[in-house]
Amino acid sequence: EVQVVESGGGLVQPGGSLRLSCAASGFSFNSYSMNWVRQAPGKGLEWISYMTSNSGRIWYADSVKDRFTISRDNAKSSLYLQMSSLRAEDTAMYYCARDKDYAFDVWGQGTMVTVSS
Amino acid sequence: QSALTQPASVSGSPGQSITISCTGTSSDVGNYNFVSWYQQHPGKAPKLMIYEVNKRPSGISNRFSGSKSGDTASLTISGLQAEDDTDYYCCSYAGGRWVFGGGTKLTVL
Repeated sequence: EVQVVESGGGLVQPGGSLRLSCAASGFSFNSYSMNWVRQAPGKGLEWISYMTSNSGRIWYADSVKDRFTISRDNAKSSLYLQMSSLRAEDTAMYYCARDKDYAFDVWGQGTMVTVSS
Repeated sequence: QSALTQPASVSGSPGQSITISCTGTSSDVGNYNFVSWYQQHPGKAPKLMIYEVNKRPSGISNRFSGSKSGDTASLTISGLQAEDDTDYYCCSYAGGRWVFGGGTKLTVL
């Protein structure tokens, strides 16, 4: 079964850091670009970061640029998101999503990040 | 980085057809044929319904179709069913980023 499973979310204080992980299975992870997409409680979807299969191309949304870092380990079929200088507005469900022809075809169940003191 | 514009809500009766619009700009929808649509039930992950404007992933019903004209994309759902009652989001590639619409709540009356 093709799937991705996110982990690493939790409660963190403003200004703090957190590292999210996404474990992929059922497909050749090293052949696909991957993304992180988030959704604040009761709000819409927001794309935040993209990385090509060989890590050669990385893009960020302006809202997270210089604070978040995307990375991957193809040997472990895993995608990561290192988040720092977290703000209340970063509170959201964070989804890992596989790229297919500039769309997101495989999504995980998400991991919740809450930024609060 | 403005979101794409979708109507907040649409409704239709079972068996009818509805269309959800998604208006962007010449920097996103109007410039790329990389518009996708997602269905999201409460508490669940989004599900890809349409990609590249009008292509359906394997397993998606042909009741779902997509189109685009200029800066506006559309999702049409024909033969409305009770299980279609949920949220829908459009998305467009915009050159080094993606932008989503604000979402549309579809109510099947």
